[in-house]
Amino acid sequence: DGGITQSPKYLFRKEGQNVTLSCEQNLNHDAMYWYRQDPGQGLRLIYYSQIVNDFQKGDIAEGYSVSREKKESFPLTVTSAQKNPTAFYLCASSRRTGTPGNTIYFGEGSWLTVV
Amino acid sequence: AQKVTQAQTEISVVEKEDVTLDCVYETRDTTYYLFWYKQPPSGELVFLIRRNSFDEQNEISGRYSWNFQKSTSSFNFTITASQVVDSAVYFCALSEARSGMDSSYKLIFGSGTRLLVRP
Repeated sequence: DGGITQSPKYLFRKEGQNVTLSCEQNLNHDAMYWYRQDPGQGLRLIYYSQIVNDFQKGDIAEGYSVSREKKESFPLTVTSAQKNPTAFYLCASSRRTGTPGNTIYFGEGSWLTVV
Repeated sequence: AQKVTQAQTEISVVEKEDVTLDCVYETRDTTYYLFWYKQPPSGELVFLIRRNSFDEQNEISGRYSWNFQKSTSSFNFTITASQVVDSAVYFCALSEARSGMDSSYKLIFGSGTRLLVRP
């Protein structure tokens, strides 16, 4: 089945450690995104990539890093510089065409807890 | 500035009741897109609908219906005859369109409305 796969679903991290969240899509989408969700709040954009080997900062990129070496993969690294990393992280993708307003589809998310 | 407001933090209804989730948006653009997503307890955001700013027709899909009114900058979502499986957090989102670019990356989300449907 086509879709977006995130792993792991749950992750615990000690303070000072970097962790990487995986995101893979088989929808043949060009654009991929990472959003962060805090309890009782909406989603905020961390990073996005419109094409392989290119990515842009979103609204809250500090303390995060990404790579886009393959069209289907867009891993997110939460670095030790991120001051409050405990949150729910959602990966998403969409087609990138000349038509604006493409629908963004989401994965099942990853829960990150810093202990 | 773009903004999406979902003033209802939480709504609780009894099964079979109708319920309307409110969404008010702010944008300076004349061309924009509005979305509704459902987030069940599993966490995944499920796409429900996309509407562009030039299409003000109301839409119905089964028990779901959407009322888009540009005059009041609102895009409300109604569930008819609610069911327990409708229990979830619902998000309204706004995306602006810029000529020459695919601006779909810029989805501005509301804070969500948690709907609880009791049996």
